[in-house]
Amino acid sequence: EIVMTQSPATLSVSPGESAALSCRASQSVDRNLAWYYRRPGQAPRLLIYGASTRATGIPARFSGSGSGTDFTLTISSLQSEDFAVYYCQHYSKWPITFGQGTRLEIK
Amino acid sequence: EVQLLESGGGLVQPGGSLKLSCAASGFTFSSSAMTWVRQAPGKGLEWVAAISGSAATIYYVASVKGRFTISRDNSKNTLSLQMHNLRAEDTAVYFCAKGLRALPGAYDYWGQGTLVTVSS
Repeated sequence: EIVMTQSPATLSVSPGESAALSCRASQSVDRNLAWYYRRPGQAPRLLIYGASTRATGIPARFSGSGSGTDFTLTISSLQSEDFAVYYCQHYSKWPITFGQGTRLEIK
Repeated sequence: EVQLLESGGGLVQPGGSLKLSCAASGFTFSSSAMTWVRQAPGKGLEWVAAISGSAATIYYVASVKGRFTISRDNSKNTLSLQMHNLRAEDTAVYFCAKGLRALPGAYDYWGQGTLVTVSS
């Protein structure tokens, strides 16, 4: 199976600043990569699919990049509701796997 | 508005069985791939099983193959997960989610989850 590794495990950033979250696949997944975030007690929400396409209703401050094995989720001008746990997920082949998550916390 | 509502979670002894359901509304259920994803306490997300819109294609993660069965009733807009021979490591919040496109893929709507606790 493809192992997805996210870094860092925790990222502390001040509101209004930007954050870059990394996701690395153990083998190429082309652009078959999605990003989600989950706030405590809430359902996960799709942010990005196809490595760089924003899902419906996701603001432009969220952007995804990368292909193959290295991917980045960039969040600009962080707002209070952005502080959550972020997961990447590949869907290149079965089994689908997720990264272990990056916790984005308020500095 | 898309809504997914899971039910059926609870406390079960090791070796026991449980059936989870997910009631879907707000979209064409029969045309949508669906999946179950779980999150154990303090852990990340783990994909469990997926089923195509027609139920012709089904996939499982290795750790549940032979113990869990995913199914759907397109006449009732309901997704199910029958779980047998449950183990402590199956303890998790189980989410159902709607596929954005064909399998495999990303999932654009998720339910709130139902908690399954396997313990004696």
